[in-house]
This record gives sequence, C-alpha cells and structure tokens, in this order.
Amino acid sequence: KAGVTQTPRYLIKTRGQQVTLSCSPISGHRSVSWYQQTPGQGLQFLFEYFSETQRNKGNFPGRFSGRQFSNSRSEMNVSTLELGDSALYLCASSPGWGGSTDTQYFGPGTRLTVL
Amino acid sequence: AQKITQTQPGMFVQEKEAVTLDCTYDTSDPSYGLFWYKQPSSGEMIFLIYQGSYDQQNATEGRYSLNFQKARKSANLVISASQLGDSAMYFCAMRAPTGANSKLTFGKGITLSVRP
Repeated sequence: KAGVTQTPRYLIKTRGQQVTLSCSPISGHRSVSWYQQTPGQGLQFLFEYFSETQRNKGNFPGRFSGRQFSNSRSEMNVSTLELGDSALYLCASSPGWGGSTDTQYFGPGTRLTVL
Repeated sequence: AQKITQTQPGMFVQEKEAVTLDCTYDTSDPSYGLFWYKQPSSGEMIFLIYQGSYDQQNATEGRYSLNFQKARKSANLVISASQLGDSAMYFCAMRAPTGANSKLTFGKGITLSVRP
C-alpha cells in the first residue's frame, strides 16, 4: 500500500503571499490531519478532516484553512504569509473510525520557507 | 487538556545495547491512546508503537516495547539491540477517543544517537 504523499516537498514564498499544500492519504483512509512543526513550538495540531468535514481544529488564526475532497485528498491553505509560518507541515491519515486506536500515519512533510 | 512531557536531554547509546526513552503524560480522559513516533533527519514521522489505556499488557513491536505504568502516568519506550539507523528524534504522543482531545498531542521529543 502506498503511504501518505505530500506535495510539494519544498516551498519558498515571500511575506504576504498565500500557499496551498496538498496531501493524499493512504488508500482507504478517510481522516486527514495537519500539523505544523517548528523548532520553537514543536508539533502543533492544525485541523482534522473526515468525510469532507472539519472534525477538529487547533488554535491557529483564520489565515490557516483546509478542505477535504470526496476522494479524501486534502489541501491546506495559508493566506497572507508571515515569517513565523516557516515550518515543516505534516499531514497524517488514519482510517477515521475514531477512538484512541485510530493510528495516524504521516507523510514526508512540506517544508515551507517564508522570506 | 492533555500534556506530554519528555525531559531527557540528547541520549547516546552504544550499538547493540538497549535504551529507554522516557515519557510522562497528563490527562483527565479515562480512555486514551499513547503513541511513539520516530523522526529521522529526513522529516517523516514514522509510527512505532501504540498502547491503549485499558490494555493489560505492555505493547511490543519487534525491537520496540512500551513500558506502561498507568498509576505513574508514564509510557517509556524501550529499544532493544540498538542499530545505527535508530539515530533520530523520538516523539511520545497521546490522543483521546473523542472531542477536542482526539487530536494527537506531542511531547517535545528526544534525540537519540547510536554510536558504532
């Protein structure tokens, strides 16, 4: 089974621009979660989508948004980029049946640099 | 709210020896899951092992085992027979079954270096 794929792997943007990151989950997985990883803040949860609906949301400003398509692929968008948005963005997929056993499997991440 | 604490500084272990990576947690949820992930320098988070809060036995997956002590709220990862490829960051994480805490909450991670 193919793993989680994320595109692009690397991205360089300037302040004020917007960016869209893409995530394709493991086949059959219906839940996709997004995390931001920075050296200072560590791993922080952004949001989770299940069956095209946002199921959970972290404490990030409205500039961060996401969506999920009917094939479970997900996109994440960041508008009006700030220097502090430079991070590794990780996508994780899980079967989505809920419960604490619903193990998340991660993609390779997209490394975003904001200049 | 959930909290994961990983306070060990960078860890070093000799190849073929065993190493224990510490993790303590705090939660008010009666049911939860505990996870360990490995993150090599490439950045990808690799799932290693899972322990449920109601599991009676400690989880094992190959060379990985989880020393789960519920009363002490600890979930330490034990890696037996360390290999050079085990050099990486290791993250402990937890999640509740439902609600706001159903997201994965991570600790700050521990750097493990395996010496030949």
